Amino acid sequence: RKEVEQDPGPFNVPEGATVAFNCTYSNSASQSFFWYRQDCRKEPKLLMSVYSSGNEDGRFTAQLNRASQYISLLIRDSKLSDSATYLCVGVLASNQFYFGTGTSLTVIP
Amino acid sequence: DAGITQSPRYKITETGRQVTLMCHQTWSHSYMFWYRQDLGHGLRLIYYSAAADITDKGEVPDGYVVSRSKTENFPLTLESATRSQTSVYFCASTGGSNSHEQYFGPGTRLTVT
Repeated sequence: RKEVEQDPGPFNVPEGATVAFNCTYSNSASQSFFWYRQDCRKEPKLLMSVYSSGNEDGRFTAQLNRASQYISLLIRDSKLSDSATYLCVGVLASNQFYFGTGTSLTVIP
Repeated sequence: DAGITQSPRYKITETGRQVTLMCHQTWSHSYMFWYRQDLGHGLRLIYYSAAADITDKGEVPDGYVVSRSKTENFPLTLESATRSQTSVYFCASTGGSNSHEQYFGPGTRLTVT
């Protein structure tokens, strides 16, 4: 069983739509969570941290639910430039990072 | 601010050859990581290092060797390359035990023929 699981998609949404991604994690000892964005053939780039209290950055909102062991990312008013693969990651206290396999998003004009 | 760099960016090698991938960071980050990324598997941790001279195995360490004699460098060596090691390799670093924000190098695309 993978430490972090996410729906690979693809998600194809029209411009302006709201889209949500979820990840589930299996290790309750995971301390920190993040969302990364990866463009084709490029390195992953940190998008945002995820907190139980929620974290909002412009059109992006991330949420952590420790009781159900999942994290979510909500993108509002999707732009063409949001097309990418979104990776969720859980981090243990030992600094071991476990990445999901990524969810592919394509925003259609 | 160079950040984190990897070399070479592309490499083709033959089965059985030894190849070393280089990773260099200018932030003095204590933690450094090596991942491989393959279709269907996502990013998988090969080795990581908490500081100079401290390294630990990750999820898929077999066939790889690492060293960390200096904080800023973390080379990854494939001792005898196999076709199954064809992949994209990413190096990453974080600031330390209180910082889990991880930053990645641009990657090395390795093909083993």
